[in-house]
Amino acid sequence: NAGVTQTPKFQVLKTGQSMTLQCAQDMNHNSMYWYRQDPGMGLRLIYYSASEGTTDKGEVPNGYNVSRLNKREFSLRLESAAPSQTSVYFCASSLVKNIQYFGAGTRLSVL
Amino acid sequence: AQKITQTQPGMFVQEKEAVTLDCTYDTSDPSYGLFWYKQPSSGEMIFLIYQGSYDQQNATEGRYSLNFQKARKSANLVISASQLGDSAMYFCAMREIPAGGTSYGKLTFGQGTILTVHP
Repeated sequence: NAGVTQTPKFQVLKTGQSMTLQCAQDMNHNSMYWYRQDPGMGLRLIYYSASEGTTDKGEVPNGYNVSRLNKREFSLRLESAAPSQTSVYFCASSLVKNIQYFGAGTRLSVL
Repeated sequence: AQKITQTQPGMFVQEKEAVTLDCTYDTSDPSYGLFWYKQPSSGEMIFLIYQGSYDQQNATEGRYSLNFQKARKSANLVISASQLGDSAMYFCAMREIPAGGTSYGKLTFGQGTILTVHP
């Protein structure tokens, strides 16, 4: 049972570098989401994709871009990483009642 | 104003006893969903239980139950017969269902409650 798979699990970047976080789900879910989790805070939505071919901004989209490559895959790109983007990133997907199932997370440090 | 409030930063419970984790929410939408997630120290987010705003009965899933009091806008999680493996961060979240009834909906999370189960 793979569920939601995120890669990489850990990443260290220098300020200004770019990277793409990958997310894939094998549950045939329509909707996918990217969140960030900062210490002492709950998860905050960065971007979401209600269905294949659509993407929308969430609560904290600045500095990020996303691509819904197909129904399974939803990637998050940092074009020019900043220390403020140091966080744990979670991908999630949902189908019924918006019960969202999460990946294991990516721990990103930007130096 | 915060949409989801978890007022207990930390809670302690003795193994085998029951514990209630508090959650209050704020919405003007008549249709919404309430969720609880568990985040153990390993970091993953695990879905526990869901309650719809129109559900007549409180949701239950094994040892987890949701004490839903709509008039008070509270959705407390009750864990019965606590186990050492229940030690984790617990998040309450809400989905506001937008007018038009689309099938997706953004989740808004509370700040979490750290539960520690003592042997």
